[in-house]
Amino acid sequence: QKEVEQNSGPLSVPEGAIASLNCTYSDRVSQSFFWYRQYSGKSPELIMSIYSNGDKEDGRFTAQLNKASQYVSLLIRDSQPSDSATYLCAVGYSGNTPLVFGKGTRLSVIA
Amino acid sequence: DAGVIQSPRHEVTEMGQEVTLRCKPISGHNSLFWYRQTMMRGLELLIYFNNNVPIDDSGMPEDRFSAKMPNASFSTLKIQPSEPRDSAVYFCASRTAGRGETQYFGPGTRLLVL
Repeated sequence: QKEVEQNSGPLSVPEGAIASLNCTYSDRVSQSFFWYRQYSGKSPELIMSIYSNGDKEDGRFTAQLNKASQYVSLLIRDSQPSDSATYLCAVGYSGNTPLVFGKGTRLSVIA
Repeated sequence: DAGVIQSPRHEVTEMGQEVTLRCKPISGHNSLFWYRQTMMRGLELLIYFNNNVPIDDSGMPEDRFSAKMPNASFSTLKIQPSEPRDSAVYFCASRTAGRGETQYFGPGTRLLVL
């Protein structure tokens, strides 16, 4: 059973701080990792993907992957109130199989 | 590209009625996924298709649920008869085949069964 675990939150951070979102996964054969952002009443949208160990930066977002620890994280620097949303971690496997999603972490950035 | 298109965006129906949800994937994508999202259970995969062929429908909750993909540009999810516990947001997503490919979601259909 492939599982992806996230703390449900809410995670509250002050505006301008760094928000750190974490995700663990159960299956070592996982090959691709994604972070989706979902605003209330909207659909999930992709914000980051990462495939190899280490860090990947895109603007204020940094994804970190540690396959040995089966751990992936998302850092949001200079958090803004507009970053308040639910963040879904998703894991992909070999072949043309669906991504496995965590239940998401709700982030609240306080102005 | 128009992205994944779903209709209707909102549906309110009474228990026992048939509900049909529609999805048009992104042109060129050959995998299509139907999800249901609730507060309690999060995002659940119901069924997915590769090249219009259903691959795994183990997530379909009951025989009341059925899905079809008659061609590469159209899919339906049908609930017959509907029940109040089917109330949820139903998302369709699509992607190209291959490892590491991103899934793109439609706007969802918010279903309320009274």
